[in-house]
Amino acid sequence: NAGVTQTPKFQVLKTGQSMTLQCAQDMNHEYMSWYRQDPGMGLRLIHYSVGAGITDQGEVPNGYNVSRSTTEDFPLRLLSAAPSQTSVYFCASSTGGGITYEQYFGPGTRLTVT
Amino acid sequence: KQEVTQIPAALSVPEGENLVLNCSFTDSAIYNLQWFRQDPGKGLTSLLLIQSSQREQTSGRLNASLDKSSGRSTLYIAASQPGDSATYLCAVWEGGSEKLVFGKGTKLTVNP
Repeated sequence: NAGVTQTPKFQVLKTGQSMTLQCAQDMNHEYMSWYRQDPGMGLRLIHYSVGAGITDQGEVPNGYNVSRSTTEDFPLRLLSAAPSQTSVYFCASSTGGGITYEQYFGPGTRLTVT
Repeated sequence: KQEVTQIPAALSVPEGENLVLNCSFTDSAIYNLQWFRQDPGKGLTSLLLIQSSQREQTSGRLNASLDKSSGRSTLYIAASQPGDSATYLCAVWEGGSEKLVFGKGTKLTVNP
């Protein structure tokens, strides 16, 4: 198993540009989520999905869109990048809701918006 | 709103020392608590998962305890090694939600 994979590893955008961060998992996990990690702020939940076709907002959803058309993929779209979105983005997945299941994280995407 | 606090923010110890990392949470209605390790520039690696009905979990030199009533968890590392140097993150799964709430981590340095 490759586990949770994220692409790209690094990205530089200009203000106003759009892009999609890719996340895929090969463990047949139902639950997937996106976090951003900022110095002094810890990890904060952006969006999550409990299964294909179902998504919901986390703590900091503004400026981001998600969709879940397949179990394997959960892309995160930045609609119009802003410097405040400079961060490290992590995707995670688990078998189901968090009651008993461990969360597995991808290696992260380091995004800089200038 | 669930808040997770980790103290201290940074810790430096000599090799071989036993140490304890602390995690506290404000709402005891959690489903589970998970400890992660993060190396610089890397993703998160799960260390231990404690379900709400459990009191502790062990893996090798690591032992994590959970006291839901007091809103506390500890991660005990025995006989620390320089390879244990990393940031350790605690996270709780909020009861009644589908969300994991993280602390800001404790940066551990083990000196040879």
